[in-house]
This record gives sequence, C-alpha cells and structure tokens, in this order.
Amino acid sequence: DADVTQTPRNRITKTGKRIMLECSQTKGHDRMYWYRQDPGLGLRLIYYSFDVKDINKGEISDGYSVSRQAQAKFSLSLESAIPNQTALYFCATSATGSPREAFFGQGTRLTVV
Amino acid sequence: QQQVKQSPQSLIVQKGGISIINCAYENTAFDYFPWYQQFPGKGPALLIAIRPDVSEKKEGRFTISFNKSAKQFSLHIMDSQPGDSATYFCAASKGSNYQLIWGAGTKLIIKP
Repeated sequence: DADVTQTPRNRITKTGKRIMLECSQTKGHDRMYWYRQDPGLGLRLIYYSFDVKDINKGEISDGYSVSRQAQAKFSLSLESAIPNQTALYFCATSATGSPREAFFGQGTRLTVV
Repeated sequence: QQQVKQSPQSLIVQKGGISIINCAYENTAFDYFPWYQQFPGKGPALLIAIRPDVSEKKEGRFTISFNKSAKQFSLHIMDSQPGDSATYFCAASKGSNYQLIWGAGTKLIIKP
C-alpha cells in the first residue's frame, strides 16, 4: 500500500464546478504539501501545512484552497474550476526531523473542460 | 521567474553511456540541492541530494557534482540502463520552511 495516497487518480470536471482532491498518509509525517506539475514548468507549490493548525500559501495559491482535517489528511479544493487548472496534482509529506526529503503520492490528473 | 534552470529538456543516451543533466541556480541562499526521479504514473522520488559544503556526492551509479562559484550542479548517471529512463528534476531549497524550488525536468531515455 502506498504511504501517500491520493484520490481520485483521474478526474474530468466542467468549468465552474467545485472539486476536491484528497490526500492521506500513513508515514506519520507532520508536514504536507500540494504541488501542481505542468509540462516544461516542473512542480510548483500550491499550499503547505506544517501541522493541523498551520496552513501556508505557496507560489501559486490563487484559485485553490486547502483543509488539514487531521495529521494524516490534507485536501485541496478548486472552488470554481477553470481550464488552465488542468494539470497533474501531487500531494507530498515530509518529517519535521528531516524536512527536506519529500515523499510524494502517485498524483491526480485533473482535466477541466 | 525561474530560480532553478535545468537542461536539457530531453536526453537520449545509449545503454552503458553516461547521462549528464545540468542545473543552474540564482539565489546564493539556497543550501540544499536534491535530485528527484519520476517514472510515468508515479510521483517524484528523492534520488540523491547535496549541500554546498561539498563538491561531489556519489551513490552507486549516481553522482552529483556541485560548483558553488558557478552556481551550478549536475547529475551524472554512469553505465546508464534502460531502467533509468525517467524524468529527472533538480531542485533547491533555503530557509526555515525548506520550500523546494524545482527545475523544469529532463526526460531521459536510455536506448538498449
């Protein structure tokens, strides 16, 4: 079983719809991250959380929101999806004692039509 | 503004050859430089990392070379194998929140 699990793996949604991507982890890490991957752009940080009560904006947070429901769960929401949010989304975790090593989920491929 | 520039975008190497991927950074405050490997349908996974107080780090067939004065670092894959075919990302981080700034990625294909 994957240590960092993302659901769904693939999703097609319409412009204007609200969508939530979920992430759960069994690694016991405090830190969780949401990244977006686009071809030719690498990964860009959307939001990150260092513990349940901590939420921080990343490089490209506009149009996104997050919720840290528990230490193991971190969800990403698109309140009103638009086509340029079509991308591959990754959740990642890291341990407070080794914060620079990130462990990634398998990704969610989101298409907004 | 891309703070970490990676090249080439794609690379084809014969089996047994040396694969070299380069990255350059702008911010001298960066103090941690990892390389991640990503296979299709998977998330990136940490391959090897270096800090700026050393010029080279080797783990098996993978070596990072670091040139602090030139603000460049590179990944060398010796005796490249078809199983090394993947996308490779360099990254850099600094500061107390350890946010990673990523290069654009290099798609590596090793031909049998």
